[in-house]
Amino acid sequence: NAGVMQNPRHLVRRRGQEARLRCSPMKGHSHVYWYRQLPEEGLKFMVYLQKENIIDESGMPKERFSAEFPKEGPSILRIQQVVRGDSAAYFCASSRDRVDQPQHFGDGTRLSIL
Amino acid sequence: QQQVKQSPQSLIVQKGGISIINCAYENTAFDYFPWYQQFPGKGPALLIAIRPDVSEKKEGRFTISFNKSAKQFSLHIMDSQPGDSATYFCAASRIYGGSQGNLIFGKGTKLSVKP
Repeated sequence: NAGVMQNPRHLVRRRGQEARLRCSPMKGHSHVYWYRQLPEEGLKFMVYLQKENIIDESGMPKERFSAEFPKEGPSILRIQQVVRGDSAAYFCASSRDRVDQPQHFGDGTRLSIL
Repeated sequence: QQQVKQSPQSLIVQKGGISIINCAYENTAFDYFPWYQQFPGKGPALLIAIRPDVSEKKEGRFTISFNKSAKQFSLHIMDSQPGDSATYFCAASRIYGGSQGNLIFGKGTKLSVKP
């Protein structure tokens, strides 16, 4: 049973570039969540998606950040015009059903901005 | 505003001892309280979770104690082992009656178990 797969594991970008982070949920899971973790901090919720729908984006910064979960393929978290403050670990989690938690996490993408 | 407060920030326990980590929450609408374990370079892994209709849940060496009136819950790790050395996060969520499924995390406790 494959777990939640995230890639790349490490991503280095220069200021002003775009970062694309991908997440493939566990088999049979149709709910995807994205979280951001700063050093020595807990995880902060960003966005919750189901296939082709954004359910809750209350944790997403208003600008430069977007997320999608298409009918086919992985969920994508996109950060445009990255800045140094975007450096963090980004984790994706998936669940079979929102009401029937739990959320299972991938190993994250470590984003570094030069 | 931090909705889930976790303490202590770090904890050192001798092998075989009991590790205790505490969390307090503010939102009485929360109805799901999981604990996650995270090793360096890895994602959080679910350890154990509790709903507010029970006061205690035990799975192996891990026990959650839940005090609804005090809005507090804690993780007890019995017979702590060096392999338990990791960062532990409590979290809370509102999964019934709300539109969100997102988890609100505490800031984490770094546990070191000395041999």
